[in-house]
Amino acid sequence: GESVGLHLPTLSVQEGDNSIINCAYSNSASDYFIWYKQESGKGPQFIIDIRSNMDKRQGQRVTVLLNKTVKHLSLQIAATQPGDSAVYFCAETDPRGSYIPTFGRGTSLIVHP
Amino acid sequence: SQTIHQWPATLVQPVGSPLSLECTVEGTSNPNLYWYRQAAGRGLQLLFYSVGIGQISSEVPQNLSASRPQDRQFILSSKKLLLSDSGFYLCAWSRMFTGYEQYFGPGTRLTVT
Repeated sequence: GESVGLHLPTLSVQEGDNSIINCAYSNSASDYFIWYKQESGKGPQFIIDIRSNMDKRQGQRVTVLLNKTVKHLSLQIAATQPGDSAVYFCAETDPRGSYIPTFGRGTSLIVHP
Repeated sequence: SQTIHQWPATLVQPVGSPLSLECTVEGTSNPNLYWYRQAAGRGLQLLFYSVGIGQISSEVPQNLSASRPQDRQFILSSKKLLLSDSGFYLCAWSRMFTGYEQYFGPGTRLTVT
């Protein structure tokens, strides 16, 4: 099937810096895109989503950007904190698939104090 | 508020033994329920999902099965475990028409020896 992938498996940043996690997708029919955060030994936690008719959405310290032309999604975390250290998954949903997300492999974000 | 429980948290089972993992959701009615498996350093693989009592959809053919005996209870089973069944098993729920926004349980770490 079609896949969701991530450019970088590991991202290391200094505390206070901004982090950008990228994701490429291939299913042009996908209409919801989601970012999840998974801390070590825990289940993933929903962070933010964006619909395909938008190109930007902001949350608390996080911003998701969607570029449908190049099928690219990114998660920006402002003023990264040690508590942001986790694996971040992007996921896409296809309305033909009952909106069940297809998850990418994940990017490990390491925040150095 | 809604909560999702999974047990046990960890499990070590010999090859060929049976398996039963339980998941329950509180604080919501008629949830969609999901079972995922996560191999080390990998993304989430959808195993089963359910939109109602007794309604189970299987995504990956294997020696696992799922049942939903009650509205907020989801069980993952196997009659005979294989070494390849080792992994981190996650249960999740979503509201009926927003499957892209999933809420995950704490997971069960299964090691088959």
